[in-house]
Amino acid sequence: EAQVTQNPRYLITVTGKKLTVTCSQNMNHEYMSWYRQDPGLGLRQIYYSMNVEVTDKGDVPEGYKVSRKEKRNFPLILESPSPNQTSLYFCASREGGGGALETQYFGPGTRLLVL
Amino acid sequence: GIQVEQSPPDLILQEGANSTLRCNFSDSVNNLQWFHQNPWGQLINLFYIPSGTKQNGRLSATTVATERYSLLYISSSQTTDSGVYFCAVVENTDKLIFGTGTRLQVFP
Repeated sequence: EAQVTQNPRYLITVTGKKLTVTCSQNMNHEYMSWYRQDPGLGLRQIYYSMNVEVTDKGDVPEGYKVSRKEKRNFPLILESPSPNQTSLYFCASREGGGGALETQYFGPGTRLLVL
Repeated sequence: GIQVEQSPPDLILQEGANSTLRCNFSDSVNNLQWFHQNPWGQLINLFYIPSGTKQNGRLSATTVATERYSLLYISSSQTTDSGVYFCAVVENTDKLIFGTGTRLQVFP
């Protein structure tokens, strides 16, 4: 089954404790991205990757890191989480190459609470 | 950047009713998608519809790109249709720009 998976689905942590949210897709997609969703602010892009070893900042990259060492994986790293990073996080992917003319698929979401 | 506005912001229906959700965007787009976010937070692809009309069961969508709007029709609504409906368009940086969403509640 074609899908985007994220782990963990739920996470409660404390300020300053490094964490990683994994994202994996099995569709051989080139383009992957991370979004966060907050009440009243909608979904905002954090980082995106056009292909392996190519990453770039989205609208709200501060406090986050990403890496793209393999085509299928795109982990989101919070080196020193803070309470304002409490949010619902989504990983997404699409084929790439065709630019805008493609459907984007979303993972199930990760609910993060930073105390 | 492109502005995406959805209306109405909230919609309450009784089971069996029909509804129309609207998405207006401020500039030309090559990509428009409709999503349903269910009460558990999952984003589900409904339609990829940069132009024209598509139907999938009780749902259908129409995009009139020249007039910069898209409509999502839900017929014979069911309680499982509850959630938030988003339209999203792609900006020139390949980033999805989401609308403000329409929150739908369907009661039995």
